[in-house]
Amino acid sequence: GNSVTQMEGPVTLSEEAFLTINCTYTATGYPSLFWYVQYPGEGLQLLLKATKADDKGSNKGFEATYRKETTSFHLEKGSVQVSDSAVYFCALILGSSNTGKLIFGQGTTLQVKP
Amino acid sequence: NAGVTQTPKFQVLKTGQSMTLQCAQDMNHNSMYWYRQDPGMGLRLIYYSASEGTTDKGEVPNGYNVSRLNKREFSLRLESAAPSQTSVYFCASSKTGVTEAFFGQGTRLTVV
Repeated sequence: GNSVTQMEGPVTLSEEAFLTINCTYTATGYPSLFWYVQYPGEGLQLLLKATKADDKGSNKGFEATYRKETTSFHLEKGSVQVSDSAVYFCALILGSSNTGKLIFGQGTTLQVKP
Repeated sequence: NAGVTQTPKFQVLKTGQSMTLQCAQDMNHNSMYWYRQDPGMGLRLIYYSASEGTTDKGEVPNGYNVSRLNKREFSLRLESAAPSQTSVYFCASSKTGVTEAFFGQGTRLTVV
């Protein structure tokens, strides 16, 4: 079936460290891929997205590239800040979907220490 | 800029009690969704409404019902709460098709 798998957390980094959160997917057709972020006590908000192979989504210093050959959409940031501490969710919408139904990964908690 | 508003934010129920979670959006979105968030499982879709007047089951609909009251409002009802329904519930809305979803702040529900 269609699914999203993320690396296990929590991930603990020092400020200014390099971040990678791995995400792989299984889906029929050509899905659109998303990263959502959830700050403590809040709902989810879109961080970035990519809708076709080789697209790169970027926002707030975060980047992710849609890799169809490896069915991956890994999230990266060159220098994390304490304010990046949050839960990050990788998600997809099936290409055949005419609704916005999201299929989420498990979520990865990031903690950045000063 | 209210966006998606959920009420209540917290609720404790006894097993067998019923309650309705309310959700309203002010972005004129056609589609609305209810998800539940459980540790280690991400968010899972309970029900969704692609447009006013339509509702469909998602991945985990058992024990829930929904009502799309109008274009703005989409409620989730637990008829007879069970401890397995202890979770954080999120309402979301989006335009039609493959677009960004906007989420409410969530309702933390505990069933004892």
